[in-house]
Amino acid sequence: DIQMTQSPSSLSASVGDRVTITCQASQGISNYLNWYQHKPGKAPKLLIYDASYLEAGVPSRFSGSGSGTFFTLTISGLQPEDIATYYCQQFDTLYSFGQGTKLEIK
Amino acid sequence: QVQLVDSGGRLVKPGESLRLTCAASGFRFSDYYMSWIRQAPGKGLEWVSSISGSGSTKYYVDSVRGRFTVSRDNAKNSLYLQINSLRGEDTAIYYCAKGWGERRFDYWGQGSLVTVSS
Repeated sequence: DIQMTQSPSSLSASVGDRVTITCQASQGISNYLNWYQHKPGKAPKLLIYDASYLEAGVPSRFSGSGSGTFFTLTISGLQPEDIATYYCQQFDTLYSFGQGTKLEIK
Repeated sequence: QVQLVDSGGRLVKPGESLRLTCAASGFRFSDYYMSWIRQAPGKGLEWVSSISGSGSTKYYVDSVRGRFTVSRDNAKNSLYLQINSLRGEDTAIYYCAKGWGERRFDYWGQGSLVTVSS
């Protein structure tokens, strides 16, 4: 099984800040990595696919990078509506998610 | 537009069975992989099962194999998850999700709550 480890588990930042969340895979997964945003009581939403491609309709302040075992999700200019939990997900071998990063506003 | 509506979740006793349903619309259902993903209280997302468009290929996470069965009825645009021998650790919100190929989950239902308690 491929284990996905996100860091940090929680994060508090101010509006306008640049925020970075990292995701590490237990083995190399090329760019087989997606990022999701999940708000309480809502359906999760796909943000980034194949490590760095922005899903249609997602604001351009979201970006992703990485390959192999290390990946990052960056929010450039945090907005109040970005408060959510963010998950990485690999699809190299079946599927598995990171444990999540809960993002709060200071 | 794509719409996925999850239903069937309820309070059940340990050892009982339950079938979850996901009603799909807005896309050619039979062309797409579909999946079930769950979230236990206070926990993160966990992939549970996936099924190919034809229904011929099915995948399960190890922890549910043998107790969970995924199926679909393409004529009814519906996805199902049969859960047998329910345990407390199966308590979760269960989401259905549309696959973009076998690569990502591009649309999700609103979730259906399953609570296992005596």
